[in-house]
Amino acid sequence: GAVVSQHPSWVICKSGTSVKIECRSLDFQATTMFWYRQFPKQSLMLMATSNEGSKATYEQGVEKDKFLINHASLTLSTLTVTSAHPEDSSFYICSARDVGTSGISEQYFGPGTRLTVT
Amino acid sequence: GQNIDQPTEMTATEGAIVQINCTYQTSGFNGLFWYQQHAGEAPTFLSYNVLDGLEEKGRFSSFLSRSKGYSYLLLKELQMKDSASYLCAVREVANTNAGKSTFGDGTTLTVKP
Repeated sequence: GAVVSQHPSWVICKSGTSVKIECRSLDFQATTMFWYRQFPKQSLMLMATSNEGSKATYEQGVEKDKFLINHASLTLSTLTVTSAHPEDSSFYICSARDVGTSGISEQYFGPGTRLTVT
Repeated sequence: GQNIDQPTEMTATEGAIVQINCTYQTSGFNGLFWYQQHAGEAPTFLSYNVLDGLEEKGRFSSFLSRSKGYSYLLLKELQMKDSASYLCAVREVANTNAGKSTFGDGTTLTVKP
């Protein structure tokens, strides 16, 4: 099946610094990638939809200037958490849709990145 | 928008059958997904329904009724490793918002010996 990787898998940073998380589709091309955030014992919350070559679409309540998303190629999207604060500590998960399949076109999830802001 | 409801927790016995229900109210519908998520891990795809009826895949089956806004995930011959959170997700119409999916809060299933 299709593979999506994320890097780093976990990161600890100091309050006020910025952190970049990479999401890559390893064996397929993805025009659309999704970024989710998940707090402990809660479900996935969609943050933004990332489209290759265009600006990301952010969900209501998500600050686009704080969570910078870049989708520069069909296999890479990045999420940068700027001026991180402890309340940004969460599990960040990306997913990608395989444009090559004519069937289900399911979303493939990356393994997630656990961010801890101290 | 989307409103997705599923039970918070369920408990079942190893070897038994369990049914996890999901009801949804949506402004658009382009398919319903079920995912399994173990603690601390990302979700993994289980099933997809876009037409009414039952889709069977080994020990897992998923059912959809679009007119009722209802789906269920059926797990047979439960194993201890099936203890996980099960997420129901509805995808919006593909030509809006790139077909994003909205997730329910998940059902935490505990399988006991």
